[in-house]
Amino acid sequence: GAVVSQHPSWVICKSGTSVKIECRSLDFQATTMFWYRQFPKQSLMLMATSNEGSKATYEQGVEKDKFLINHASLTLSTLTVTSAHPEDSSFYICSARVLTLNRNEQFFGPGTRLTVL
Amino acid sequence: GESVGLHLPTLSVQEGDNSIINCAYSNSASDYFIWYKQESGKGPQFIIDIRSNMDKRQGQRVTVLLNKTVKHLSLQIAATQPGDSAVYFCAENFENAGNMLTFGGGTRLMVKP
Repeated sequence: GAVVSQHPSWVICKSGTSVKIECRSLDFQATTMFWYRQFPKQSLMLMATSNEGSKATYEQGVEKDKFLINHASLTLSTLTVTSAHPEDSSFYICSARVLTLNRNEQFFGPGTRLTVL
Repeated sequence: GESVGLHLPTLSVQEGDNSIINCAYSNSASDYFIWYKQESGKGPQFIIDIRSNMDKRQGQRVTVLLNKTVKHLSLQIAATQPGDSAVYFCAENFENAGNMLTFGGGTRLMVKP
């Protein structure tokens, strides 16, 4: 299957700093990538939909100025958590979508664990 | 709003037994459903999917059943193995909602040796 990578896989930062997470589709082009957040023992919550060459669409309750998304190419989307605070500590997962005639295939990255001290 | 949910947060089975993980969904217009497996500290991994015009789909050791009448989805794992231990999520897709996936709450499957 298609491979999606994320970098870094784990990051610890001080409160107030900004953290950038990269999501790459390694062997396919993805016009759409999704960013999810997952708190411990909870399900994935969609944060935003990232379309190549256009502004991201954010879900209700997600601050676009705090979670900056850039989808500069068909293989790369970045999520920047600006002025991170301890409550932003979470597992951030991206996915890349390939739409076929029969189904909506999303391939997930391995996730990035963010810990804000 | 409409959502996808799961009945059982934790399921414990003996190695070799069959496992059944259930999921209830509320959006009757959803047209595509997927089961994902997530191991600790990793991203979700696709297991099997089914379209709304089907009742059953089989894969290797896994079967997904869809009952549209009661809006219920299940994942059956045959001869459960220790490597099957993970959290399982169902997700629904509604094409008219931009093909986004909505995830259920997850069920943790624990396989006892």
